[in-house]
Amino acid sequence: SQQGEEDPQALSIQEGENATMNCSYKTSINNLQWYRQNSGRGLVHLILIRSNEREKHSGRLRVTLDTSKKSSSLLITASRAADTASYFCATVIIQGAQKLVFGQGTRLTINP
Amino acid sequence: DTEVTQTPKHLVMGMTNKKSLKCEQHMGHRAMYWYKQKAKKPPELMFVYSYEKLSINESVPSRFSPECPNSSLLNLHLHALQPEDSALYLCASSQEGYSYTFGSGTRLTVV
Repeated sequence: SQQGEEDPQALSIQEGENATMNCSYKTSINNLQWYRQNSGRGLVHLILIRSNEREKHSGRLRVTLDTSKKSSSLLITASRAADTASYFCATVIIQGAQKLVFGQGTRLTINP
Repeated sequence: DTEVTQTPKHLVMGMTNKKSLKCEQHMGHRAMYWYKQKAKKPPELMFVYSYEKLSINESVPSRFSPECPNSSLLNLHLHALQPEDSALYLCASSQEGYSYTFGSGTRLTVV
């Protein structure tokens, strides 16, 4: 079963605009991670935010975490065509061992 | 070396074939994972190995058989697959509490 929901499922914007994707999850977490996937290949880790953090930045990426609402958002500023990809949030669940469980993902298209 | 290497990149196999997917990492990560991903869906966890021992099996059919020969290698043995098993198979590794590193995947087609 999947841990979370992402919103929107698909987003299409013009190059240079900002893109915001939201993620909700169900259980308590240790950390929340965001990944990018191009054209159905491997996932690339973007950013990890721990449960005691509220906001984190990495280059053009800004992630927020609200543990009271069990939600997170990913903001990509000044989007570029190369940002076109699917973006997934993921949380770690402890069931004996750790397992990373993904949300449904947002398909982002940047139009030139 | 900060990569997870998966081979082969593409595989076409018949329903009576036996094949294996391979995954290798040299980052010293002690946890390794197999995920299955169908088109336009998120990756779904299949198996977790922790310190070379199978820790989690997400009720995967026995036609998928994982193996961890050592701390750097992870195999997925395939036998008598069905067409619905066609998917992208992703391997990943991690250190506890940190991000996961994914391979580029094996695109499997069962005919």
